[in-house]
Amino acid sequence: GDSVTQMEGPVTLSEEAFLTINCTYTATGYPSLFWYVQYPGEGLQLLLKATKADDKGSNKGFEATYRKETTSFHLEKGSVQVSDSAVYFCALSPYSGNTPLVFGKGTRLSVIA
Amino acid sequence: GAVVSQHPSWVICKSGTSVKIECRSLDFQATTMFWYRQFPKQSLMLMATSNEGSKATYEQGVEKDKFLINHASLTLSTLTVTSAHPEDSSFYICSAPDGNYGYTFGSGTRLTVV
Repeated sequence: GDSVTQMEGPVTLSEEAFLTINCTYTATGYPSLFWYVQYPGEGLQLLLKATKADDKGSNKGFEATYRKETTSFHLEKGSVQVSDSAVYFCALSPYSGNTPLVFGKGTRLSVIA
Repeated sequence: GAVVSQHPSWVICKSGTSVKIECRSLDFQATTMFWYRQFPKQSLMLMATSNEGSKATYEQGVEKDKFLINHASLTLSTLTVTSAHPEDSSFYICSAPDGNYGYTFGSGTRLTVV
């Protein structure tokens, strides 16, 4: 079945460091890909998404490119801030429509000043 | 953008009592709602899928008699944890497709059963 694999955390970075969180997927067809962020005690917020190959999603300095050839959707940010500390989830939607997201296990990021 | 309002944010209840969690779509019609459970420092586990006007579909291992899901309208889905026990303590989150290739999540409900 469909699955998402993302790098294990926790990841600890100093402020202004470069961030990469790897995400690869297995799916039949052409899934949509997402990154969600969860702050402590809160629900998930959409960070960015891409619906087809070579699309680049971007938001708040984060970006990820849908790479069909490598089945990847790595999250990157050039300069992290303390406020970026959160758990990041990579996810895929197998079809456009009413099917649940398939989540990775999440990566906890801590940014220290 | 699309918003799903989830209430309550947190609740403490005694063992044996029931707790109802509500998720309302505020500016779109949620024909489908997904209910998840999240254990500390873990990913989301899909519990069930509810569709407006029909019975919910539960994932394997989820007790449908314990976790009652109702989706009576296009804007409201509820999860009732019946006869709650301490092992039901968890973070519960709802999510709905927002019609724009995206999914909107509620803010979550922290349930503590004492």
